[in-house]
Amino acid sequence: SYVLTQPPSVSVAPGETARITCGGNKFGSKSVHWYQQKPGQAPVLVICCDNDRPSGIPERISGSNSGNTATLTISRVEAGDEAAYYCHVWDYSSNHHVFGGGTKLTVL
Amino acid sequence: EMQLVESGGGLVQPGGSLRLSCAASGFTFSTYSFNWVRQAPGKGLEWIAYIRRGTSVLYYADSVKGRFTISRDDAINSLFLQMNSLRNEDTAMYFCTRDEGTAGGMDVWGRGTTVTVSS
Repeated sequence: SYVLTQPPSVSVAPGETARITCGGNKFGSKSVHWYQQKPGQAPVLVICCDNDRPSGIPERISGSNSGNTATLTISRVEAGDEAAYYCHVWDYSSNHHVFGGGTKLTVL
Repeated sequence: EMQLVESGGGLVQPGGSLRLSCAASGFTFSTYSFNWVRQAPGKGLEWIAYIRRGTSVLYYADSVKGRFTISRDDAINSLFLQMNSLRNEDTAMYFCTRDEGTAGGMDVWGRGTTVTVSS
């Protein structure tokens, strides 16, 4: 089955840039999506289709996808960005949605 | 406002059954595909079932295939998950999600309903 690999945790100081990676095989052929989940809440789509921001998502949040790695970048990190972040793709070979294991972003 | 509201969760014994519902509002339900996604306590997201708009195309994760059944009723804007032969490891928060298509993300999520499987 298709596997997405994320680091368990990333820490960054306020105002700095956080980069959260998501590794997968032959990523370039897949659209990668990212979700933010704060404690006790449902996930929220923050990046669709590699680098599109849904309405209401700040421009500080961006995505990229190259080779075998997708990256979620959060610039000028704020305390409110502290959350778990999940990457997600549709695996055409198995007709399954696949989520990464999630990365806990801590704002120092 | 686009909204999904899950219901039907609760405490059930191993081997038992439960039927979850998801009521949609604020958009044209019949034109979208949907998923069920679950999250065990303290764990990550796990996709478990998908139903395509307008067709009978269904997909399931291996962990629930043969035990769970996803269905929809476009007349009442509702999504369902029939869960049979429940196991302790099915304990989780269950979310219904709107699917933007195979190249899109899950752009609308419900708040979830909790299922606890325990004797």
